[in-house]
Amino acid sequence: DIQLTQSPSSLSASVGDKVTITCRASQLIANSLNWYQQKPGKAPNLLIHSASSLHSGVPSRFSGSRYGTDFNLTINSLQPEDCATYFCQQSCTTPPWTFGHGTKVEIK
Amino acid sequence: QEQLVESGGDLVTPGGSLRLSCAASGFTFSDSYMSWIRQAPGKGLEWIAYISNSSDVIYYADSVRGRFTISRDNAKNSLYLQMNSLRGDDTAVYYCARDTEFYTSGPPTDAFDIWGQGTVVTVSS
Repeated sequence: DIQLTQSPSSLSASVGDKVTITCRASQLIANSLNWYQQKPGKAPNLLIHSASSLHSGVPSRFSGSRYGTDFNLTINSLQPEDCATYFCQQSCTTPPWTFGHGTKVEIK
Repeated sequence: QEQLVESGGDLVTPGGSLRLSCAASGFTFSDSYMSWIRQAPGKGLEWIAYISNSSDVIYYADSVRGRFTISRDNAKNSLYLQMNSLRGDDTAVYYCARDTEFYTSGPPTDAFDIWGQGTVVTVSS
């Protein structure tokens, strides 16, 4: 199975900061990497699909990028409502599809 | 609007069975691929089962294969998860999610673009 290593596991940043979360795949997965945001007690919401495509309705301060097997989720100008846990997920070829362990983002 | 609503979660003893349901509305369910994903308390997300729109392709995670069965009824816009031989490590919030193929450049990427609110399954004596 393809493993995803997500880092950091948590971070604290100030409103307006630029935040980057990284997800490393255990093998090449092309652009088959998605990012989700989950707030406490709620279901996850899709933010980015296909490594860098912003899902409909997601604010443009969120962006995704890929460098080989490394994928980044960047939040430009962090907002209070971005306090959440972020997960990466791969969907390369057929299941099993796997998730990263998550990054908890807190506001200083 | 596009919506998924799970039901059927409960407290069950180890070795017991449970059937979860997921009702879809606001989109063409019969054209949609679907998955079940779970989240143990305080833990991350685990994909556990997938079913194609016509039920001809089904996949399971190793952790549930042979114990859980995914199925659907397109006439009722409903997805199901039959869970047998339940264990303590099956305790989790269970989400159903629509699995959509997104086409950008290159091969399509599957992503979960609609999620239900989740239903809680607790396995304990």
